[in-house]
Amino acid sequence: GESVGLHLPTLSVQEGDNSIINCAYSNSASDYFIWYKQESGKGPQFIIDIRSNMDKRQGQRVTVLLNKTVKHLSLQIAATQPGDSAVYFCAENRGEAGTASKLTFGTGTRLQVTL
Amino acid sequence: DGGITQSPKYLFRKEGQNVTLSCEQNLNHDAMYWYRQDPGQGLRLIYYSQIVNDFQKGDIAEGYSVSREKKESFPLTVTSAQKNPTAFYLCASSRIPPGANVLTFGAGSRLTVL
Repeated sequence: GESVGLHLPTLSVQEGDNSIINCAYSNSASDYFIWYKQESGKGPQFIIDIRSNMDKRQGQRVTVLLNKTVKHLSLQIAATQPGDSAVYFCAENRGEAGTASKLTFGTGTRLQVTL
Repeated sequence: DGGITQSPKYLFRKEGQNVTLSCEQNLNHDAMYWYRQDPGQGLRLIYYSQIVNDFQKGDIAEGYSVSREKKESFPLTVTSAQKNPTAFYLCASSRIPPGANVLTFGAGSRLTVL
């Protein structure tokens, strides 16, 4: 079946360094991808999204890259801060255009920021 | 402030009991969703609704039921038929395209079966 997965379950990064979190997807028909951040005991928070007609999108300190050739998605966090410590999920939308979103989530990567 | 409110935050249930989790949103979103999250895993879709009085099963609907009598509310009932109900339950809402597909999540409800 279709799936969204992550390469690394845990990523440890020193404060101030850049973080890269990777995600592989298998549904070549997916046209929308989202990254969420989830802190312990809380609901996921939206970070950034990207549509399949784009290769790159930048936000504040975050960049999402989409490589449709190899079905790969990555989240880059610049100058990682202790407050970035959380679990990060990528998700792809299986919903049809004009209907409710049906997101398939990966298992998540835990980002640990060391001082 | 606009957002999604889930209650209760923590809930304990004895085996064989039904429990209902509340979800209310004031974002004027048309679509609402329920996800289940188990430790160390991603979110799995239980049910979703695009319009009042209509809802669809997600990937793991067995043992759950929902209703959508008002646009703002989408309660989830975990029935005694759900064999492994202990989990973290997340409610979300979104606009329906051509707007953004971003889901806004609540803070979650943690259900523990004793």
